[in-house]
Amino acid sequence: KQEVTQIPAALSVPEGENLVLNCSFTDSAIYNLQWFRQDPGKGLTSLLLIQSSQREQTSGRLNASLDKSSGRSTLYIAASQPGDSATYLCAAEDSNYQLIWGAGTKLIIKP
Amino acid sequence: EAGVAQSPRYKIIEKRQSVAFWCNPISGHATLYWYQQILGQGPKLLIQFQNNGVVDDSQLPKDRFSAERLKGVDSTLKIQPAKLEDSAVYLCASSRSSGGLVYSFGSGTRLTVV
Repeated sequence: KQEVTQIPAALSVPEGENLVLNCSFTDSAIYNLQWFRQDPGKGLTSLLLIQSSQREQTSGRLNASLDKSSGRSTLYIAASQPGDSATYLCAAEDSNYQLIWGAGTKLIIKP
Repeated sequence: EAGVAQSPRYKIIEKRQSVAFWCNPISGHATLYWYQQILGQGPKLLIQFQNNGVVDDSQLPKDRFSAERLKGVDSTLKIQPAKLEDSAVYLCASSRSSGGLVYSFGSGTRLTVV
């Protein structure tokens, strides 16, 4: 059974720093890995989707990598801004096209 | 394009009462999902529809939860009777199909059972 873990559960950094959020999964037989952002009182916004055959995806200041062999994905945020404050969730899509979710990392960027 | 619409945004009910949530997915999206997200946890899939057919409802507590998607468009999720542990955010999402595609989420309904 696929399990997805995100560490740390919370992270607070000063504005301008580069940071890395971690996501690990137990079963490497995934269809893809997705990163989402969740703001308080709002739904989830898809940030990046990495297909199983890909190693990374980039969008603006965000870069997500995928290493299936080690069961890990990282989300790199460059030059963090207060507007980046949110909860970031990763989800592994399994062979049944089901998303298996981590519990998220709550990120606070201090001005 | 308009996003996934959900209503109500908030609901407070007493235990043993019933409640219903409504979702209107993005036009043309064949697949619709209902998730339950308890505070501090990731979303848990309750039910997945492909058009108006159920693809997966293995985690839906069928003794109290029910869902339908009439005509393959709008969907409703009902809880009857509600328990304290049902307090959560209920998220609706849609995608063009299933597998490897971008999901669009609604803002969710925050349910508090007292």
